[in-house]
Amino acid sequence: AQKVTQAQTEISVVEKEDVTLDCVYETRDTTYYLFWYKQPPSGELVFLIRRNSFDEQNEISGRYSWNFQKSTSSFNFTITASQVVDSAVYFCALSESMNRDDKIIFGKGTRLHILP
Amino acid sequence: DAGITQSPRYKITETGRQVTLMCHQTWSHSYMFWYRQDLGHGLRLIYYSAAADITDKGEVPDGYVVSRSKTENFPLTLESATRSQTSVYFCASRGLAGTETQYFGPGTRLLVL
Repeated sequence: AQKVTQAQTEISVVEKEDVTLDCVYETRDTTYYLFWYKQPPSGELVFLIRRNSFDEQNEISGRYSWNFQKSTSSFNFTITASQVVDSAVYFCALSESMNRDDKIIFGKGTRLHILP
Repeated sequence: DAGITQSPRYKITETGRQVTLMCHQTWSHSYMFWYRQDLGHGLRLIYYSAAADITDKGEVPDGYVVSRSKTENFPLTLESATRSQTSVYFCASRGLAGTETQYFGPGTRLLVL
């Protein structure tokens, strides 16, 4: 069965520090996709990234970067030089294979506080 | 604007009343989903729909009813609201493949008194 674990329930860092949000997943499939979503205080869920299981290249988008390691079943998210606007709850998610009815499974989220 | 919208954004109702939450998407996505978000539980799937007139239960379907007569709409009805259904409800949609990205609506905050 698929499972996503975000062990860090809440993290606080001071602005401009780097912070890494951990995500560990479990799946029996060889083909799967991983996602990160951001939920700012306003409440909406914002899609950040989607990565397939065959692409282990790290991804960088501005101050955001993602480290995908199949060997440890992890898909960690790093924010460099954090800003107050990065304060949000971040969800990691997993969807298995190409089965049409496969549903996305979310981790319980990590609440990130960026302190000014 | 194209996208996925939900209405109402906020709703207060009383125990026992019927409430319908609306969801509309303009992408012609095949799949639509309803989640509820509660502290300590994260996002839990209530119902989903693979296409018009096809719906299926998720993790927590009890007390809810859905319909999908048109591809773009996926209303969620609480037949007789209970206090335990106080939550934030999110609608989402995606294309055909199970691995496609789900995009979420802005959410509906529901308070059942």
